[in-house]
Amino acid sequence: DAKTTQPNSMESNEEEPVHLPCNHSTISGTDYIHWYRQLPSQGPEYVIHGLTSNVNNRMASLAIAEDRKSSTLILHRATLRDAAVYYCISGGVDNAGNMLTFGGGTRLMVKP
Amino acid sequence: GAVVSQHPSRVICKSGTSVKIECRSLDFQATTMFWYRQFPKQSLMLMATSNEGSKATYEQGVEKDKFLINHASLTLSTLTVTSAHPEDSSFYICSAPQGTYHYGYTFGSGTRLTVV
Repeated sequence: DAKTTQPNSMESNEEEPVHLPCNHSTISGTDYIHWYRQLPSQGPEYVIHGLTSNVNNRMASLAIAEDRKSSTLILHRATLRDAAVYYCISGGVDNAGNMLTFGGGTRLMVKP
Repeated sequence: GAVVSQHPSRVICKSGTSVKIECRSLDFQATTMFWYRQFPKQSLMLMATSNEGSKATYEQGVEKDKFLINHASLTLSTLTVTSAHPEDSSFYICSAPQGTYHYGYTFGSGTRLTVV
């Protein structure tokens, strides 16, 4: 898996959009970009993933740079329940059993 | 969606005793499960990969005789921390890929182990 770099922490106000950046400058052509988040005292949960095109789902949007060396997770309206550590991971979409390698993640704090 | 049930959620044990943690895939078959350990304020670190019907693969630095992994069926993997010591106190999390036709890795809710 290619190494990813994220800010250690970010703050947001409730009901405002949040843009969480991730650098993955050594990503290979077949590596996907995955985002998971971990709420306090829980296991991580899937947020979104993509390869080249921007992606949207009910939780978030993923904007991928044209050169794929960076991406941004967008939470359109942050809520207090979005306070978590967000992990950006690059690697294959591999349901055959390759593990996810977690970096440090970004701790998102949401202020009311 | 796919669910991985992990038990117990919390356990306190005395030094020198063993603790078993179970992870079950409830609505899908998991031929592979990953076991992670997470210390406070740190990220998840992969400990081992368990495969149904074969021996687990351990990451460098993880003692296989201390962290026994058994993947007895397509829906159950267990991690046993043997002769636990206070430094084994941590948050243990299992994960499984959801299968051929579904993307994603499903994580258990984690087990908080405290060794006293």
